[in-house]
Amino acid sequence: RKEVEQDPGPFNVPEGATVAFNCTYSNSASQSFFWYRQDCRKEPKLLMSVYSSGNEDGRFTAQLNRASQYISLLIRDSKLSDSATYLCVVNTPYSGAGSYQLTFGKGTKLSVIP
Amino acid sequence: EADIYQTPRYLVIGTGKKITLECSQTMGHDKMYWYQQDPGMELHLIHYSYGVNSTEKGDLSSESTVSRIRTEHFPLTLESARPSHTSQYLCASSAQQGATEKLFFGSGTQLSVL
Repeated sequence: RKEVEQDPGPFNVPEGATVAFNCTYSNSASQSFFWYRQDCRKEPKLLMSVYSSGNEDGRFTAQLNRASQYISLLIRDSKLSDSATYLCVVNTPYSGAGSYQLTFGKGTKLSVIP
Repeated sequence: EADIYQTPRYLVIGTGKKITLECSQTMGHDKMYWYQQDPGMELHLIHYSYGVNSTEKGDLSSESTVSRIRTEHFPLTLESARPSHTSQYLCASSAQQGATEKLFFGSGTQLSVL
C-alpha cells in the first residue's frame, strides 16, 4: 500500500461547481498534513495546511480524520484559475527517532471548464 | 515569497556532458531536497540534506550526486548526462517546527539531454 494515496482523477468540472478531493495515508503516526497546488510545468506551492479541527481559507476547506487516516479538500464555486494538480502531502515518521519526512501523493488533476 | 533559486531554468545538452544544477536559498533552512518529476507524473525524491555535510539518497535511485558545503547551497551534479536523465528537477528547502514542515520550491530546471 502506498504511503499517500489520492483520487486518480482527472476531475473535469464546470465553473461554479463544488469539487472534493480525497487522500488517505498509511502511517498512523503521521503528524502534519498539507495540500499543495501545482500548475502545469510549474513548481508545487503550498495551498493550505490541514488541521485536526478542519480549516477554511476562502472557497477552500480542508479536513482531517485521524481515525480513518483520511484528508479531504473541498473547493466551492470553482473558478477557471483553480485548474491545476492538487497534491496531498503528509509528514511521516522516518527511520531514526523523531525524524519526519514529507511524502507526496501522486496528485489529482482538476480542470474547470467554462 | 520564498527565497529559493534554481539555475539554469532550462538546459539542453548533449549526451556524455557533465552538468551541475544550482540551487540556493537565503532563508537559512537546514533541510534541502531535490525532486525529479516527469510531465504529468508524480514527484520523486532523489536527494536530501539535513544540514551542512549531510546528504542522503531519496526514494528514487538516481545517478546524480549532491553536495552541501554551505547551508544555502545544494548543487546537483550529473557526471555524464544521458537521454534518460531528461526531466524536470525541483529543489526545495524547509524549516522544521516540531512535526510541522513546510516546503518551499524553486522554479525548477527543465533538463533535456539529446
